[in-house]
Amino acid sequence: NAGVTQTPKFRILKIGQSMTLQCTQDMNHNYMYWYRQDPGMGLKLIYYSVGAGITDKGEVPNGYNVSRSTTEDFPLRLELAAPSQTSVYFCASSDKQGENTGELFFGEGSRLTVL
Amino acid sequence: AQSVSQHNHHVILSEAASLELGCNYSYGGTVNLFWYVQYPGQHLQLLLKYFSGDPLVKGIKGFEAEFIKSKFSFNLRKPSVQWSDTAEYFCAGGSSNTGKLIFGQGTTLQVKP
Repeated sequence: NAGVTQTPKFRILKIGQSMTLQCTQDMNHNYMYWYRQDPGMGLKLIYYSVGAGITDKGEVPNGYNVSRSTTEDFPLRLELAAPSQTSVYFCASSDKQGENTGELFFGEGSRLTVL
Repeated sequence: AQSVSQHNHHVILSEAASLELGCNYSYGGTVNLFWYVQYPGQHLQLLLKYFSGDPLVKGIKGFEAEFIKSKFSFNLRKPSVQWSDTAEYFCAGGSSNTGKLIFGQGTTLQVKP
């Protein structure tokens, strides 16, 4: 019963490097989300997707890109890492229940440090 | 713009004290509201949710929240807190139309034994 799986759990990047945070879910959920969590700031929505082939910007999309080629996968790409992107990243998914957005199921998080 | 705000950033209580954490939202149209909890070292888990119907929602571990549409509020309450309730609490709001889900800044609750 895997749920939402994120990799890697920890990563250190140098300024200007690029990387992809992987996220996959096995619950056949339509909705997927990427959040970043910073102390005192709560969770900020980076990007979200309501289904395969559909993505949309959240509150803080600059410096990130996403794709949703399958229902299961929702990778987050950092093209040119900056110190401001040091954070803990959470992927989440939910199933739309009728007209309502359902409960979010979270991955365990990915701690990224940019030096 | 859609937003969710939490008034209290850090709350310290003694065991058995009553708890109320404030949450206000700014949304047009139909809104879905949630409270999540994050215990130290763990990821977020759902406490309770409101979609429609009875504005008083009961969740796990004795928590409840009341949706007051006229005040755009969804405050979390618990009559008597325990040391194990020490955690960070997040209010979140989502649009039924778009699926977008926004979180508040979070409130750190520390319960002294």
